[in-house]
Amino acid sequence: EVQLVESGGGLVQPGGSLRLSCVASGFTFSSYEMNWVRQAPGKGLEWVSCIGSSGGAIYYADSVKGRFTISRDNAKNSLYLQMNSLRAEDTGVYYCARNRNPEGFDYWGQGTLVTVSS
Amino acid sequence: DIQMTQSPSSLSASVGDRVTITCRASQSISTYLNWYQQKPGKAPKLLIYVASSLESGVPSRFSGSGSGTDFTLTISSLQPEDFATYYCQQSYSTPYTFGQGTKLEIK
Repeated sequence: EVQLVESGGGLVQPGGSLRLSCVASGFTFSSYEMNWVRQAPGKGLEWVSCIGSSGGAIYYADSVKGRFTISRDNAKNSLYLQMNSLRAEDTGVYYCARNRNPEGFDYWGQGTLVTVSS
Repeated sequence: DIQMTQSPSSLSASVGDRVTITCRASQSISTYLNWYQQKPGKAPKLLIYVASSLESGVPSRFSGSGSGTDFTLTISSLQPEDFATYYCQQSYSTPYTFGQGTKLEIK
């Protein structure tokens, strides 16, 4: 059974940092592009970042470029999102998702809540 | 960046109704269009991929069509469990933009 489990969310002050993790199981993690998608409270889905299967081909949304860094460790079946210089508008639930490119994001984690507030 | 525009933003319908949601891309994306369903407090669920292919396990009352810039998601006969928010997403190029969502509510 495919599972994606996020962790690392929490309350952080504006300007602070947080590192999210996503541990994958039930599939060959190193074969898939992985993505982060977020959702502000009561709002829609916003794509954040993706990383290719081997760790190359990294892309970011303009809203996080220069502040967030995506990475992965295929030996640990893990995906990461290092978030720096956090702003109030970064508040939301962050999901990791597997991309069955180009057939869409077929598996999602349960999400981890990030709250940026003083 | 490719912009995705869904309509309507919200929709009231009754059990048994046929419902159509549309999604328009700001440029041609061939058939690289996916549809998701999201219920409150839950992660999105893939329903339709590459415009018209039904994801495994998704009921056949869901269908998708379109190519280029205009796409539709149709639910042929609404069931109580279908009341949710629906999103389109383009997988043609990064950023993999989503539509703003369509909230389907019970009339």
